[in-house]
Amino acid sequence: QKEVEQDPGPLSVPEGAIVSLNCTYSNSAFQYFMWYRQYSRKGPELLMYTYSSGNKEDGRFTAQVDKSSKYISLFIRDSQPSDSATYLCAMWTGANNLFFGTGTRLTVIP
Amino acid sequence: GAGVSQTPSNKVTEKGKYVELRCDPISGHTALYWYRQSLGQGPEFLIYFQGTGAADDSGLPNDRFFAVRPEGSVSTLKIQRTERGDSAVYLCASSLSGGTYEQYFGPGTRLTVT
Repeated sequence: QKEVEQDPGPLSVPEGAIVSLNCTYSNSAFQYFMWYRQYSRKGPELLMYTYSSGNKEDGRFTAQVDKSSKYISLFIRDSQPSDSATYLCAMWTGANNLFFGTGTRLTVIP
Repeated sequence: GAGVSQTPSNKVTEKGKYVELRCDPISGHTALYWYRQSLGQGPEFLIYFQGTGAADDSGLPNDRFFAVRPEGSVSTLKIQRTERGDSAVYLCASSLSGGTYEQYFGPGTRLTVT
């Protein structure tokens, strides 16, 4: 079993919809929880990070962490075609490397 | 400012050949990471440099893989006797210092072994 699990999708939604992306994890040592966006043939780009359980909002994006359930989410409000990309959750224990989910491919249809 | 750059962007090689992949981190970043992303998967850690030394190489899959960072800036990932299973996108990331979640990724080198 992988330490970070993410539904690979693909997910297809109409423009303006609310998108919910989720990951679960098994390692209690994870301290920071990140969401990366990766456009086709590009490197991952850090969107948001959270440290503790709860919600963090940045514009149309809200990151949610529930450490008791080992579950994190990313919500995208008023989704736009430019949001079409692969979204990767990533987690960090406080050491060196990041642990990534498989990524969810999102398409927002105009 | 300039981000992380990687060359070449694409590399096609024959099974058994040797390849070198180059990473140029963000100026001033002391920490550098290599990850490998196979098709349909998330990036997987290979090796981490703090300055010139490999502080953690626990992700290297076997001794065919080796990386260097001789002057604490540019890094080269070297793969000997390539196998078809090595085909993937090799991503490089850098951070201002070690031990941080805030890693900035390059566009990757897409390696195809035929």
